[in-house]
Amino acid sequence: DAGVIQSPRHEVTEMGQEVTLRCKPISGHDYLFWYRQTMMRGLELLIYFNNNVPIDDSGMPEDRFSAKMPNASFSTLKIQPSEPRDSAVYFCASSLTGGIYGYTFGSGTRLTVV
Amino acid sequence: QQQVKQSPQSLIVQKGGISIINCAYENTAFDYFPWYQQFPGKGPALLIAIRPDVSEKKEGRFTISFNKSAKQFSLHIMDSQPGDSATYFCAATIRGYQKVTFGTGTKLQVIP
Repeated sequence: DAGVIQSPRHEVTEMGQEVTLRCKPISGHDYLFWYRQTMMRGLELLIYFNNNVPIDDSGMPEDRFSAKMPNASFSTLKIQPSEPRDSAVYFCASSLTGGIYGYTFGSGTRLTVV
Repeated sequence: QQQVKQSPQSLIVQKGGISIINCAYENTAFDYFPWYQQFPGKGPALLIAIRPDVSEKKEGRFTISFNKSAKQFSLHIMDSQPGDSATYFCAATIRGYQKVTFGTGTKLQVIP
């Protein structure tokens, strides 16, 4: 298995632009999580899905952030419009059983908003 | 109440030494405590985990010690190696509940 695949690995964009981050979870995993990692705040859970349905989006910082999971093999996290404070590493993770036996994280997307 | 406090923020250990990372939690409903290891440019990966009905779990050079009454747990890395240099996150969750609460991370550097 190729693991959780995220794209792009790096993204540099100008303030105000739309940014779309992509994730392909491990086949068969029924939970998908989006995390944001910064030095100041560590790993923050933004949203998670179960069987493609958003379950908890309470960590999404504001309306500029949205996430979708149109099918079991693909999810997107969109920021529109982007701001410099959105600069962070965004991780996607998937799991077969939720939090219990561990998540498998992707390698992340490093987002820089200038 | 959902927080997991982790210390130290960074740690430098000589090769062959013992690395110790400590975590504390408040929510007594937590009943599963995993540790994740993250190398630069990679996502965190599950390293070892413990349930509160045991006081210690060992896997190779990695040991988790758990003190339920103090609501504390720690990771010990014996005979630390340069290849162990990474950021370590403690975490806590409730079985049957999907969210995992992560600590703030400890950057470990093992020097030759």
